[in-house]
Amino acid sequence: QSVLTQPPSVSAAPGQKVTISCSGSSSNIGNNYVSWYQQLPGTAPKLLIYENNKRPSGIPDRFSGSKSGTSATLGITGLQTGDEADYYCGTWDSSLSEGVFGGGTKLTVL
Amino acid sequence: QVTLRESGPALVKPTQTLTLTCTFSGFSLSTSGMCVSWIRQPPGKALEWLARIDWDDDKYYSTSLKTRLTISKDTSKNQVVLTMTNMDPVDTATYYCARSRMATIDYWGQGTLVTVSS
Repeated sequence: QSVLTQPPSVSAAPGQKVTISCSGSSSNIGNNYVSWYQQLPGTAPKLLIYENNKRPSGIPDRFSGSKSGTSATLGITGLQTGDEADYYCGTWDSSLSEGVFGGGTKLTVL
Repeated sequence: QVTLRESGPALVKPTQTLTLTCTFSGFSLSTSGMCVSWIRQPPGKALEWLARIDWDDDKYYSTSLKTRLTISKDTSKNQVVLTMTNMDPVDTATYYCARSRMATIDYWGQGTLVTVSS
C-alpha cells in the first residue's frame, strides 16, 4: 500500500474538468511540498506541478494544484484525449525520512 | 538541458546483487540543493521511491528496503550508483533515476527494465 492515497481511476468527457485527490498525513503532505506527475503509457513520469501549485515551464495552465492540510488536489480543465495517463502525487515524509508517492490515478477521457 | 540515463543489466538471477548507474548531464551534484533519487515501478504498478543522495553526500533510503540498498556518487563523472542485494523476482521493475532539488523530483531518466529470473 502506498503512503499517499489516491483514487484508482477518474473519468470525464473531453472539454470537461476533473480533480484528483491525494491524501496523506501531517508527516508528509501536512508539512512538505507536494508534486504531481503525469505518466503517459510506456513513458517515464513527467513533472506537472511542484511546490503544491507551481507549474514548470511548458505545462499549460489547464493543470493546477492545491493543498489544504494533509490533502492535495490536482485539477485538469479542458480535458483532451492526450491527457489520458496515470497521475501520481509525491512528497517527502519527514518522519520516515524518505520520499513517498500515491498509488496513482488512471485518467480516462471518455 | 538536464538529462539522466540509467544503465545496468536487464536480467539478474535471484539472490544476485543489482548494480545500476545513473549518468547525468546539465547539472552538478556538487551544487547546493541538488540530489539524485532512484525510483522503481513494477509492471502495471505504482511508483516506489528507493533512495536519494544529496550534494553534501547525505543519503536516504526506503525504510522497507534499507538493508538491501546502497547509493553512492562520483561527482567528477556525473554518476550515481545504486546497488540492491539479494534480488528476488518481486524486484522486477523499471528503475528510474531522477534529479531532485530538495522537495521536488523534477527530471526523470527514461528508465531501465530489470527482470529477476533464473
